[in-house]
Amino acid sequence: SQQGEEDPQALSIQEGENATMNCSYKTSINNLQWYRQNSGRGLVHLILIRSNEREKHSGRLRVTLDTSKKSSSLLITASRAADTASYFCATDAWGIQGAQKLVFGQGTRLTINP
Amino acid sequence: GAGVSQSPRYKVAKRGQDVALRCDPISGHVSLFWYQQALGQGPEFLTYFQNEAQLDKSGLPSDRFFAERPEGSVSTLKIQRTQQEDSAVYLCASSPSGSGSPLHFGNGTRLTVT
Repeated sequence: SQQGEEDPQALSIQEGENATMNCSYKTSINNLQWYRQNSGRGLVHLILIRSNEREKHSGRLRVTLDTSKKSSSLLITASRAADTASYFCATDAWGIQGAQKLVFGQGTRLTINP
Repeated sequence: GAGVSQSPRYKVAKRGQDVALRCDPISGHVSLFWYQQALGQGPEFLTYFQNEAQLDKSGLPSDRFFAERPEGSVSTLKIQRTQQEDSAVYLCASSPSGSGSPLHFGNGTRLTVT
């Protein structure tokens, strides 16, 4: 089962515009991560935000976390055609024997139109 | 190695055949994960290894699925008597530790069961 839900499921914008994707989750977390997946490829880690952080930046990426609402957002500024990909949020979950695993959402499919 | 390597890249199996999918993690990475990704969905956790120990196999869909990592490096995911519902991309990921750190993914094996 998947803990996170991304919104919207698909987003199409013009190059140069900003793209915002949201993620909601159900249980308490230690950290939340965002990944990107290009078609036919594996996932690439973008950014990690800890539960005691509210905002984090990395280049054109800005992530916010609201633990009271159990939600996060990913903002990509000044989008480029190369940003076209699916974006997933992932939260940590404690499994059997204390092993920590990441649980992924359904993803947002982002298309940047030139 | 430069990254996580998975082979084969594509596998077509007739229903009822056994398949074996291989993952070469980044050298020195302690943690290894297997995920299953259906078309248009996020990755679903299958199993987790810390070195050679399989600490969590709660995500394996049935007893037809078996994973091993005998020497704490290369891992193999085996699916016996494949069914059409097993068709998916199988992703392997590794990380230096198991404490919720970012995962490094391979490009996956796309399994099609006919």
